Amino acid sequence: GAVVSQHPSWVICKSGTSVKIECRSLDFQATTMFWYRQFPKQSLMLMATSNEGSKATYEQGVEKDKFLINHASLTLSTLTVTSAHPEDSSFYICSAGDRAGGAFFGQGTRLTVV
Amino acid sequence: QQQVKQSPQSLIVQKGGISIINCAYENTAFDYFPWYQQFPGKGPALLIAIRPDVSEKKEGRFTISFNKSAKQFSLHIMDSQPGDSATYFCAASMSAGANNLFFGTGTRLTVIP
Repeated sequence: GAVVSQHPSWVICKSGTSVKIECRSLDFQATTMFWYRQFPKQSLMLMATSNEGSKATYEQGVEKDKFLINHASLTLSTLTVTSAHPEDSSFYICSAGDRAGGAFFGQGTRLTVV
Repeated sequence: QQQVKQSPQSLIVQKGGISIINCAYENTAFDYFPWYQQFPGKGPALLIAIRPDVSEKKEGRFTISFNKSAKQFSLHIMDSQPGDSATYFCAASMSAGANNLFFGTGTRLTVIP
């Protein structure tokens, strides 16, 4: 299947700082990528849909000014958690779909805000 | 509102046994039903997926059974192995691919030797 690479796999940051997470489709082009958040032992919650060359579409309740998404190319989307606080600590996962169908997920990023 | 309902929440199966996880949905516009396997600290990995035009799909030890009239689908893991111990998520979307997947709540499977 297609490969989606997410970096970093884990990050610890101080409260008030910003953190950038990258999501790359390695062997296919993805016009749309998705960002999810997952709390321990819970399901994935869609945060936003990232569209190449245009603004992201955010799900209800997700602060777009806090979670900045940029989809600069067909193979790269970034999520920046701005002014992070301890309650933003979570597991963030991106996904992308190739032309053949099927959604492929990155390996996830464990964010811990201290 | 949970668009896709999944049960059981946890499941313990003996090695060699059959693991069965069930999902149900309401939205008849869904036309793509994938199953994902997730190990701790990792992203979900696509296991197997089905479209509503077939009632069953098998890939190795993994089988999806689909009942369109009942709006239910299930994952069967035959000859379950300790390495299958993971969390399994069913999902549904209105088209194949990554488009707006609605996930079930997950099933934590433990296969005991």
